[in-house]
Amino acid sequence: AQKITQTQPGMFVQEKEAVTLDCTYDTSDPSYGLFWYKQPSSGEMIFLIYQGSYDQQNATEGRYSLNFQKARKSANLVISASQLGDSAMYFCAMRNSGGSNYKLTFGKGTLLTVNP
Amino acid sequence: GAGVSQSPRYKVAKRGQDVALRCDPISGHVSLFWYQQALGQGPEFLTYFQNEAQLDKSGLPSDRFFAERPEGSVSTLKIQRTQQEDSAVYLCASSLGYWTSGSTDTQYFGPGTRLTVL
Repeated sequence: AQKITQTQPGMFVQEKEAVTLDCTYDTSDPSYGLFWYKQPSSGEMIFLIYQGSYDQQNATEGRYSLNFQKARKSANLVISASQLGDSAMYFCAMRNSGGSNYKLTFGKGTLLTVNP
Repeated sequence: GAGVSQSPRYKVAKRGQDVALRCDPISGHVSLFWYQQALGQGPEFLTYFQNEAQLDKSGLPSDRFFAERPEGSVSTLKIQRTQQEDSAVYLCASSLGYWTSGSTDTQYFGPGTRLTVL
């Protein structure tokens, strides 16, 4: 069974600094996808970035980048130049390419607070 | 274009009442998902539709939970005889539904319905 672990319940960062949110995963499938979502207090899950298990390069989307270390089964999210609007819950999720390849399995999330 | 919408945004029910939660997916999206998010937790999968077919309902917690998508677009999640443990945020997500190699087929989420059972 797939499992996502986010060990940081909360993180604090100063505005304009970079922050890394940790995510480790466990799966026996060789093909899978990793996602990061942001959930502000309004409740909507906002897609941020995707990394495929066979992708050769780490994914980047604007200020977001994914530090993918396949051998260590980690997929940490790096947010550069933090902004006050980045304060939210962040969830790491995984989808396998096997039988139930549509389901997302989520971690428990990390609450990021950006201080002015 | 319009995103996934859900209604109502908030629902308070007395224990034992039936509730119906609505999801309008992104137009043209084949796949539709329901997730349940308990307080302080990540979302957990409930059920999955491909067009009007419910292909997986393995995550539904009990037979009091029922979901439908009769015309392959709007979906309704119904909870009968609500219990306090049903209190949670119910999230709906949709995706194009094409599971080709290299495709992210990202799931896009609605704002959720926060259900409180008293």
